[in-house]
Amino acid sequence: GAGVSQSPSNKVTEKGKDVELRCDPISGHTALYWYRQRLGQGLEFLIYFQGNSAPDKSGLPSDRFSAERTGESVSTLTIQRTQQEDSAVYLCASSYAGGGTEAFFGQGTRLTVV
Amino acid sequence: AQSVTQLGSHVSVSEGALVLLRCNYSSSVPPYLFWYVQYPNQGLQLLLKYTSAATLVKGINGFEAEFKKSETSFHLTKPSAHMSDAAEYFCAVSSSGGSYIPTFGRGTSLIVHP
Repeated sequence: GAGVSQSPSNKVTEKGKDVELRCDPISGHTALYWYRQRLGQGLEFLIYFQGNSAPDKSGLPSDRFSAERTGESVSTLTIQRTQQEDSAVYLCASSYAGGGTEAFFGQGTRLTVV
Repeated sequence: AQSVTQLGSHVSVSEGALVLLRCNYSSSVPPYLFWYVQYPNQGLQLLLKYTSAATLVKGINGFEAEFKKSETSFHLTKPSAHMSDAAEYFCAVSSSGGSYIPTFGRGTSLIVHP
């Protein structure tokens, strides 16, 4: 596609339920990032995929969070047993490998846990 | 390790006035620096980036930024603000010290008064 695509754009879920967020990166981009943006806050790094290397999971806030990526394509971020503090916009970005390359962002998934 | 500090969570200017958004970074190795803009309910869009070529970087929409190593700064400026510039602005740093994962500042909300 022309840009990074995320789905759904909005998700309302009940506390305790699991949710799955999807990201389709730009074709050819080997790097993929997930960030969380709480209301009025900056971007909080969650996880980074680079090609076939082991992902950098150092930003995941708890073991309720996990993510997968199939090759250099689609990624899914899963949040189990959602809590109200998980409410945020989840942003996905992709880029070519290497330093200094621009990260292209999707429009985000707004997650609301009620 | 790498980090970014954006001074001022909100900056208010009159239309036609100079825009100055401040960003200071910390990096133990030569950094790459970025400014992104986020309009309401949208993802982040790159304004400009510094990748060690020229210290004065020009970006889209009349914005520019100057890399000053001695001051560890990368402030964003625009000579004359437009109403359409009202948005959230994020400074980001990436480097080999951070596995080239962009680290973002908390953001600065630019308010433009008529």
